[in-house]
Amino acid sequence: AQSVSQHNHHVILSEAASLELGCNYSYGGTVNLFWYVQYPGQHLQLLLKYFSGDPLVKGIKGFEAEFIKSKFSFNLRKPSVQWSDTAEYFCAVNAGGSYIPTFGRGTSLIVHP
Amino acid sequence: GAVVSQHPSRVICKSGTSVKIECRSLDFQATTMFWYRQFPKQSLMLMATSNEGSKATYEQGVEKDKFLINHASLTLSTLTVTSAHPEDSSFYICSARDRGAPVSTDTQYFGPGTRLTVL
Repeated sequence: AQSVSQHNHHVILSEAASLELGCNYSYGGTVNLFWYVQYPGQHLQLLLKYFSGDPLVKGIKGFEAEFIKSKFSFNLRKPSVQWSDTAEYFCAVNAGGSYIPTFGRGTSLIVHP
Repeated sequence: GAVVSQHPSRVICKSGTSVKIECRSLDFQATTMFWYRQFPKQSLMLMATSNEGSKATYEQGVEKDKFLINHASLTLSTLTVTSAHPEDSSFYICSARDRGAPVSTDTQYFGPGTRLTVL
């Protein structure tokens, strides 16, 4: 069974700092990749997704992620974070044609104003 | 965008009672809905996959007699926690796949979650 690892469990940044959250998965075949965000007290929202094509994916709110197949990674980036980016971020992977995602354990991001 | 609602958002019940949580897709039809459980500071754990008109598929380790799932229509799935115990206290989240969305855009839409506290 596939697994998804998010190595950064807690990240604390100041506003305007750059962000990179790691996501690695264990599956050798075709994958669909997602990043979700959960703001305090709100439901999960899709930030961006990769199905095929350009491995550099741009999402909402200035986020982007790069799929590096050789590294089994799909890291999330943002060049300049804002206080409003404080949230939980989840990486998720659909593997082998399944539409059921496996989630990483999440990364808690706190941005200080 | 597609909206999924859950009701109630928060419920407190006594040990031994049953609690029903509803998940509705408000502006699309969902042939498949998913039920997750989220523990504090942890990931979402898939409990079961609910298909309209058929029995739910439960993940390993999830008691199907305890967590009853019914998907009676294309817009409604319910999760009933039977004979609830304090260890069932958790955040339960549902999600739904849009039946009409192309496969290339396959995305799940998540409900806001239900906080269950069993005393």
